[in-house]
Amino acid sequence: QSALTQPASVSGSPGQSITLSCTGTSSDIGAHDYVSWFQQYPGKAPRLIIYELSYRASGVSDRFSGSKSGNTASLTISGLQAEDESTFYCSSYTETSTLVVFGGGTKLTVL
Amino acid sequence: EVHLVESGGGLGQPGQSQRLSCTASGFNIGDFAMTWIRQAPGKGLEWVGVIRSRSYGATTDYVASVRGRFTISRDDSKNIVYLTMDSLQADDTAIYFCCRGRTSPSAMPHYWGQGTLVTVSS
Repeated sequence: QSALTQPASVSGSPGQSITLSCTGTSSDIGAHDYVSWFQQYPGKAPRLIIYELSYRASGVSDRFSGSKSGNTASLTISGLQAEDESTFYCSSYTETSTLVVFGGGTKLTVL
Repeated sequence: EVHLVESGGGLGQPGQSQRLSCTASGFNIGDFAMTWIRQAPGKGLEWVGVIRSRSYGATTDYVASVRGRFTISRDDSKNIVYLTMDSLQADDTAIYFCCRGRTSPSAMPHYWGQGTLVTVSS
């Protein structure tokens, strides 16, 4: 069981905006802004999308944005495109001996 | 440009050892924390461990499931980070990714290698 909780799947239509959630605790997401989001296509390495809560990685479209409220971080994808269909993972630094924790991943389907 | 290339994966027998390498280019590994992350087939990502930079004492930390069995080390002269896996278990089967943080002390994965597959089976 993953330390951070993500919905297993979400779906949306092209052009729609969609928000993916990632729930942690006061020891990880709630404690600081060291939250990252990754996108992964089958058979490929994860690709960094968002780091330090809300900064877009180099080359990432401004359709992607990150935020948080309390112990829950969110990734919003606006203007959904077919190429966005993939799995998204959240990650957070944590104040435990396991320095970095991940969510179980959310599979995004573009209808 | 930061570039990370993992190697050393393959088939390993339960109870045996295997060593993975991560060859870095575009920066000096001694100046950054270097992290290993793994992904079991069809599963999510799991942080395995970190070796900190020289300025942070090159100390290491590991996830509980590998602590005492896995060791992260590095050869600064070759710019290579190693993950030595002892007492391999079937649930160590995964793709292993080498990562670097955005800043020197960060254990948060920012740059990723392409991964190397380790299969533990008799």
